[in-house]
Amino acid sequence: GEDVEQSLFLSVREGDSSVINCTYTDSSSTYLYWYKQEPGAGLQLLTYIFSNMDMKQDQRLTVLLNKKDKHLSLRIADTQTGDSAIYFCAESSSGGGADGLTFGKGTHLIIQP
Amino acid sequence: GAVVSQHPSRVICKSGTSVKIECRSLDFQATTMFWYRQFPKQSLMLMATSNEGSKATYEQGVEKDKFLINHASLTLSTLTVTSAHPEDSSFYICSASGLAGTPHEQYFGPGTRLTVT
Repeated sequence: GEDVEQSLFLSVREGDSSVINCTYTDSSSTYLYWYKQEPGAGLQLLTYIFSNMDMKQDQRLTVLLNKKDKHLSLRIADTQTGDSAIYFCAESSSGGGADGLTFGKGTHLIIQP
Repeated sequence: GAVVSQHPSRVICKSGTSVKIECRSLDFQATTMFWYRQFPKQSLMLMATSNEGSKATYEQGVEKDKFLINHASLTLSTLTVTSAHPEDSSFYICSASGLAGTPHEQYFGPGTRLTVT
């Protein structure tokens, strides 16, 4: 079946950029997502990218997609304490609205003062 | 827009009893709702997909007689955990799609923490 892999932890200093990486195995993935989960809360959609795109930027967030290597990254510029959360990478082969998403285990972003 | 609520947020029940969790889309009609289960420090695992008025489609390994899903309206889906056991303790999260203009997005509820004693 499909698999989505992420490293479990990332520690960065406040003000630096954070880069969270994700790899996936399903070559038919059409949409790739980044969600943020704060302690005890549900998932907040940060951004998503269609598989025919290489990059998408939205304010402090930049998503890069290397479809050949099946590698997705999320860059958070000027990381703040409020960015501390678990970040989930997810993929969908059908478009995300009709079928469930396949999630990675999440990367816990830790902000050092 | 695109707010999804779940009720209750936390529930404790005794082994052998049943518990119902509600998922509501508050400001849009959800053509499809999904139920996920999340174990501590694990990813979300899709349990089932439900479309309004149709029977839910369960993922492999999910017991449909144990996890009853009803999607009676375009704004409400329920998950009933029947004859709950301690191993059913988990964080259950629903999501909904169908908001006009966002065909590729799912909106997640805040989750329900189920503890079976």
